[in-house]
Amino acid sequence: QVQLVQSGAELKKPGASVKVSCKTSGYTFTDYYIHWVRQASGQGLEYMGMISPKTGDTNYAQKFQGRVTVTRDTSISTAYMDVSSLTSDDTAVYFCARELRGGHFDHWGQGTLVTVSS
Amino acid sequence: QTVVTQEPSLTVSPGGTVTLTCALSTGAVTSGHLPNWFQQQPGQAPRTLIYNTNNKHSWTPARFSGSLLGGKAALTLSGVQPEDEAEYYCLLLYGGSWVFGGGTKLTVL
Repeated sequence: QVQLVQSGAELKKPGASVKVSCKTSGYTFTDYYIHWVRQASGQGLEYMGMISPKTGDTNYAQKFQGRVTVTRDTSISTAYMDVSSLTSDDTAVYFCARELRGGHFDHWGQGTLVTVSS
Repeated sequence: QTVVTQEPSLTVSPGGTVTLTCALSTGAVTSGHLPNWFQQQPGQAPRTLIYNTNNKHSWTPARFSGSLLGGKAALTLSGVQPEDEAEYYCLLLYGGSWVFGGGTKLTVL
């Protein structure tokens, strides 16, 4: 069965970086895009960016360009999201989600809580 | 800045029908915006209900349907069940990137 399993919770200090992983299984990794979405406590979903595992091409929401980097390792079917220069506003649950080309979203990861605090 | 607007909250009686909408600040929503709808229960990851306007997944209950209605994307629940009480989000493709709506809190009362 299709699974997207994310790495565990992180506690970071302001100004640091965090890297969250999304390990996939149950399908051909390169056939689907991986997207990243975050949700602050009590707030809505916020789109961050995506990667094509096949080509490595990325696309970011304007708000996150320059501060968020999405990568992948096809040898272990895993996508990563790196957020730099963290502030308390980055405290949120981060999700990965899968999309078949053409807007066909389906499976989601379980979420990773990132807490930024001094 | 592109804004995607949803009703902040709606209330429906069990067994009733309710339509949630998703509007784009720049104009009408079309199938080209590839509307997706997600349901999120408290403390859980979102679950995809509808993709590409009106397509259901194998796990999507039959009472959920997606459409375009009056220039907006719409999610209709017919025969609402208590377990449908949740937050619902739409997602649109716009300008080469994706944008979420603010979400609709659906109460079943």
